[in-house]
Amino acid sequence: GNSVTQMEGPVTLSEEAFLTINCTYTATGYPSLFWYVQYPGEGLQLLLKATKADDKGSNKGFEATYRKETTSFHLEKGSVQVSDSAVYFCALGGSTLGRLYFGRGTQLTVWP
Amino acid sequence: NAGVTQTPKFRILKIGQSMTLQCAQDMNHNYMYWYRQDPGMGLKLIYYSVGAGITDKGEVPNGYNVSRSTTEDFPLRLELAAPSQTSVYFCASHKDGAGTGNTEAFFGQGTRLTVV
Repeated sequence: GNSVTQMEGPVTLSEEAFLTINCTYTATGYPSLFWYVQYPGEGLQLLLKATKADDKGSNKGFEATYRKETTSFHLEKGSVQVSDSAVYFCALGGSTLGRLYFGRGTQLTVWP
Repeated sequence: NAGVTQTPKFRILKIGQSMTLQCAQDMNHNYMYWYRQDPGMGLKLIYYSVGAGITDKGEVPNGYNVSRSTTEDFPLRLELAAPSQTSVYFCASHKDGAGTGNTEAFFGQGTRLTVV
């Protein structure tokens, strides 16, 4: 079946630090992979995506590469800002029904 | 652009009460979903719909019902509220089905429900 395992938080960093949030997946077929972000009091927003192996998704300084050999989609940012404080969800798009499978979410707090 | 609109944003229910969580989208999306988000547990799919008149169960449907009489609206009904239904509920819509990756899934702002 489909599942996502995501690095547990919370993660606390100083501004300008390097960020990595690990995500691995189990899937049948060839899924699409996503990172969603949830800012306080808001719904989820798509941060970036990759639809096939070796694709790199990027947005707002965040990057993630679809690694089929390691079944991973780790989120990285070279220099985080206070405004990046949010909950980050790794998600897998299953081919059946078009639904998403989510990881548990990782709370990121960035201090000035 | 309204996107996906959920109401109410907050609600407190007593055990055994009923309520309907409203969800509407103005993007003419066929696919709509209801998820619940429990602390530290990610999002679990409750029900989904692939078009007007078509609904089906997700992972955690017990205690809930849905209907899809129009493309725009996808209400979630709680018939006999229980403390285990305390959660944050998110409605989402997608043009092609969120898993395809071709286009973006849009989420509402959520409904925080507490059952006491």
